[in-house]
Amino acid sequence: GEDVEQSLFLSVREGDSSVINCTYTDSSSTYLYWYKQEPGAGLQLLTYIFSNMDMKQDQRLTVLLNKKDKHLSLRIADTQTGDSAIYFCAESSIKAAGNKLTFGGGTRVLVKP
Amino acid sequence: NAGVTQTPKFRVLKTGQSMTLLCAQDMNHEYMYWYRQDPGMGLRLIHYSVGEGTTAKGEVPDGYNVSRLKKQNFLLGLESAAPSQTSVYFCASNQAGAGYTFGSGTRLTVV
Repeated sequence: GEDVEQSLFLSVREGDSSVINCTYTDSSSTYLYWYKQEPGAGLQLLTYIFSNMDMKQDQRLTVLLNKKDKHLSLRIADTQTGDSAIYFCAESSIKAAGNKLTFGGGTRVLVKP
Repeated sequence: NAGVTQTPKFRVLKTGQSMTLLCAQDMNHEYMYWYRQDPGMGLRLIHYSVGEGTTAKGEVPDGYNVSRLKKQNFLLGLESAAPSQTSVYFCASNQAGAGYTFGSGTRLTVV
């Protein structure tokens, strides 16, 4: 079945840029997503990208998609302590039954002052 | 602006007990999903539904049953709880496309 992989942990200094990487296996992915989860909280959708795009920018967030390599990244500019959280990459395909979301295991980002 | 509501928010069960988690959405979405979240494993799909009266198995369905008798409700049942089912459970809904709405989660502990 579909598989989504992420590195487990990222440490970054406040004010620097963070880059979180994700790889996926489903060549029919339609949308790719980044979610944020703070401790004890639910999932917050940060951004998503349609599979025929290669970049999307939204304020401090930049998403890059390399469809050939099935690689997705999220860059957070000027990282703040409030960006400390777990970030999940996810993908969905309209060709898959039920339009299911498949998640990676999450990357824990720690922002140091 | 309710979106997706999950009840209860917290629950402690003894091994062998049964319980039902309720998910309700008010957006008239066709698709609904139950996920479980465990540390380091992201969210894994338990069961899903593509419409009223339909259900299907996801990635980790064993030990769970679901029902979608009404379009707005998706129930997740544990017939005989086991410690391995200690987890945080999230419900979500979708109307095709990219828009998924998640509930705030149910934290379940089985002792």
